[in-house]
Amino acid sequence: QSALTQPPSASGSPGQSVTISCTGTSSDVGGYNYVSWYQQHPGKAPRLMIYEVSERPSGVPDRFSGSKSGNTASLTVSGLQAEDEADYYCSSYADNKSLVFGGGTKLTVL
Amino acid sequence: EAHLVESGGNLVQPGGSLRLSCAASGFTFSSYAMGWVRQAPGKGLEWVSAISGSGGSTYNADSVKGRFTISRDNSKNTLFLQMNSLRAEDTALYYCAKTSYGSGVSYILWGQIDQWGLGTLVTVSS
Repeated sequence: QSALTQPPSASGSPGQSVTISCTGTSSDVGGYNYVSWYQQHPGKAPRLMIYEVSERPSGVPDRFSGSKSGNTASLTVSGLQAEDEADYYCSSYADNKSLVFGGGTKLTVL
Repeated sequence: EAHLVESGGNLVQPGGSLRLSCAASGFTFSSYAMGWVRQAPGKGLEWVSAISGSGGSTYNADSVKGRFTISRDNSKNTLFLQMNSLRAEDTALYYCAKTSYGSGVSYILWGQIDQWGLGTLVTVSS
């Protein structure tokens, strides 16, 4: 199973919104509503931010939102804050009963 | 609060074996599916294996099929990953991963991984 495609980098100024894309195929992102997003700060373990495309776990700020159209999922971070600077990874359930991750996007808060 | 502590990582030669462990505490271990996710140095996340709460259902990534085996001992609240025929490309930080959503292995495969350990480093090199 190939990794999902994410842009290597994204950036925005404090208070702005930024959207990160995650492109797969009909065998993963497009075929199931099981897209998740993880945040990872340097040297730390990942943190689940979004699951089932747009659901937020308890404790995740509502500035984080997810969506999906066809084979592409998106994570939007609104009202950017300095602490949002991190790597973000998408994941999706895939046809062959596996979990596939994206390559990651480094979000920089300018 | 759930606490996951991995151990067993080490430097091993290509073709060698290692057994990783993940000691769990703070929750009813058998009630939740678990898994392993790895991250090569400076690289992204890669799912490795998943196991149901009972241990009766397991899945592995194609990259480790036939070489890695995931298991759990619910009486000792411990998750394991037996790694055989290790290759240089298996070099990574291995995270123990847990879902809080249920015991079915699908919760891991659906990416609902909401608790992670700090990882244990496996280096495969001669």
